[in-house]
Amino acid sequence: DQQVKQNSPSLSVQEGRISILNCDYTNSMFDYFLWYKKYPAEGPTFLISISSIKDKNEDGRFTVFLNKSAKHLSLHIVPSQPGDSAVYFCAASEYSGNTPLVFGKGTRLSVIA
Amino acid sequence: GAGVSQSPRYKVTKRGQDVALRCDPISGHVSLYWYRQALGQGPEFLTYFNYEAQQDKSGLPNDRFSAERPEGSISTLTIQRTEQRDSAMYRCASSAGTEPYNEQFFGPGTRLTVL
Repeated sequence: DQQVKQNSPSLSVQEGRISILNCDYTNSMFDYFLWYKKYPAEGPTFLISISSIKDKNEDGRFTVFLNKSAKHLSLHIVPSQPGDSAVYFCAASEYSGNTPLVFGKGTRLSVIA
Repeated sequence: GAGVSQSPRYKVTKRGQDVALRCDPISGHVSLYWYRQALGQGPEFLTYFNYEAQQDKSGLPNDRFSAERPEGSISTLTIQRTEQRDSAMYRCASSAGTEPYNEQFFGPGTRLTVL
């Protein structure tokens, strides 16, 4: 039973356009959400996070939106760049302290020049 | 160190052998996590430590798997009597342990292949 779901295995976007990656979760106890980015042969790298007390967090070209009532979050990348091509993992934890993360299966983003 | 390091990067072993996977976290990081990642999946939690104390080992698949972090720094994940189904990428992560953030920094992983 997957608690964190990324239903799109892949996404292709033109350079300069917006990339929107989606994530749904089922566990209402999740309180803290993160996005990780992974290049081939490397470990996942933290990208951006959001606490459940917020509905938006922005960091440069990256914005994460959280809709608690829908148990849905999304990552927006604008403008998309070829270097953004990677696998993006959505993750969640039951609070923002030291707890294990529950990951989705990932979405492979390809940004086409 | 600059980041989380894991060794070996690749391990090929025969079924029935024991293997030990090492994780060296970022210096000063309180928490250390072990995950396992199958192809096409996200990392799945195995166990984690705060300092030297194992906080949760509910993700360990069975009693062939164990982990330790005796001095609160380096950790070893040991798999006894390996089976082919143990083949996967094993990832280690560490975090500073300062709230409210749970930002975990991942190492490059150890690719385990059991023949």
